[in-house]
Amino acid sequence: DAGITQSPRHKVTETGTPVTLRCHQTENHRYMYWYRQDPGHGLRLIHYSYGVKDTDKGEVSDGYSVSRSKTEDFLLTLESATSSQTSVYFCAIGSQGIASGANVLTFGAGSRLTVL
Amino acid sequence: RKEVEQDPGPFNVPEGATVAFNCTYSNSASQSFFWYRQDCRKEPKLLMSVYSSGNEDGRFTAQLNRASQYISLLIRDSKLSDSATYLCAVNPHLTFGKGTMLLVSP
Repeated sequence: DAGITQSPRHKVTETGTPVTLRCHQTENHRYMYWYRQDPGHGLRLIHYSYGVKDTDKGEVSDGYSVSRSKTEDFLLTLESATSSQTSVYFCAIGSQGIASGANVLTFGAGSRLTVL
Repeated sequence: RKEVEQDPGPFNVPEGATVAFNCTYSNSASQSFFWYRQDCRKEPKLLMSVYSSGNEDGRFTAQLNRASQYISLLIRDSKLSDSATYLCAVNPHLTFGKGTMLLVSP
């Protein structure tokens, strides 16, 4: 399996606190993605990165920011967590761009976030 | 019409049955399509890409119908281990459907 790890795997926090989720890959893939998955909504793209310091917004980016200072790390930050951000967050990596026909994603194991 | 739509199921089938799922997409410019499998409380994993000419991988067959804008996944000789949620994904922007749940019973 591809080397992609997420941390923390589980987190419970309170409304208004900042939260950072980390995605780390050892595959040297250029493209990294953050999705959230919720019942009734499926997987939705939050932000993605197409290189170090190069990021772009996805479908549900409000309330989230990202940073990528190294190829291997992609951080997702909730500046002030809200209950609506309770979700399972998946990081994914890919060797091709998001619109590429060869864009096969490998997902991390997920981070389960609960905001009280 | 939503970008990518799937019947959520569940599809309940006995072992050995053949089952098929469809996934419709709204963007006629979409060029690439994928099926992912997701086990309960696990991450999605690529099952297969969908090629224009259709493709087969063992018991699994994926087809694309551009005219009607849908892709399909056919599973033959269902196994208990096939029980999972099957997600379709469509480019551009790799939009995922909400998934179809399959339950295979003894």
